[in-house]
Amino acid sequence: GAGVSQSPSNKVTEKGKDVELRCDPISGHTALYWYRQRLGQGLEFLIYFQGNSAPDKSGLPSDRFSAERTGESVSTLTIQRTQQEDSAVYLCASSSPGVYEQYFGPGTRLTVT
Amino acid sequence: AQSVTQLGSHVSVSEGALVLLRCNYSSSVPPYLFWYVQYPNQGLQLLLKYTSAATLVKGINGFEAEFKKSETSFHLTKPSAHMSDAAEYFCAVSRTGTASKLTFGTGTRLQVTL
Repeated sequence: GAGVSQSPSNKVTEKGKDVELRCDPISGHTALYWYRQRLGQGLEFLIYFQGNSAPDKSGLPSDRFSAERTGESVSTLTIQRTQQEDSAVYLCASSSPGVYEQYFGPGTRLTVT
Repeated sequence: AQSVTQLGSHVSVSEGALVLLRCNYSSSVPPYLFWYVQYPNQGLQLLLKYTSAATLVKGINGFEAEFKKSETSFHLTKPSAHMSDAAEYFCAVSRTGTASKLTFGTGTRLQVTL
């Protein structure tokens, strides 16, 4: 594809509901990353995939957060029992082997009411 | 552990003036350093990167940054600001450069005035 795409672009959910956020990386990019950007703050790393495996999950803030990747392509970030502090922009990035640059998608803005 | 500090959450310059956005890093290993720009409601775009080659790095849109190990700094500069440079700028560090998470600073919002 032309770039990293994410869906939905905006999601409003009620506290306690589960949400799924989707990321489509650039075709051929084996590495995929999820970051979170809370209002007025920098980006926080959540999880990194190499292929379909996740060698680094150190940034997931709680066991309510999980992610998977299939076919070395699409990834889904799932947040269970959402809380208001989960409100943020969730950004996905991908990179190709041996390349330094991470290419970012436009993000999903999650609002928990 | 690695970290990045960006001094100044907001910087305002006049059009045509020098842009200087500060970034200091902390890293236990030789770092790879990046500057990204984020325009409103868009994802991040890479401006430039330092990957242990030349210490003065030139990027897109006339920006450049100099890696100074003695000062643990990687400040971003542009000789002459344009209105279109108004955006948020993030400095980031990674451990190995490739296939490695980025640790970001808190960002600096650049305002360009007439």
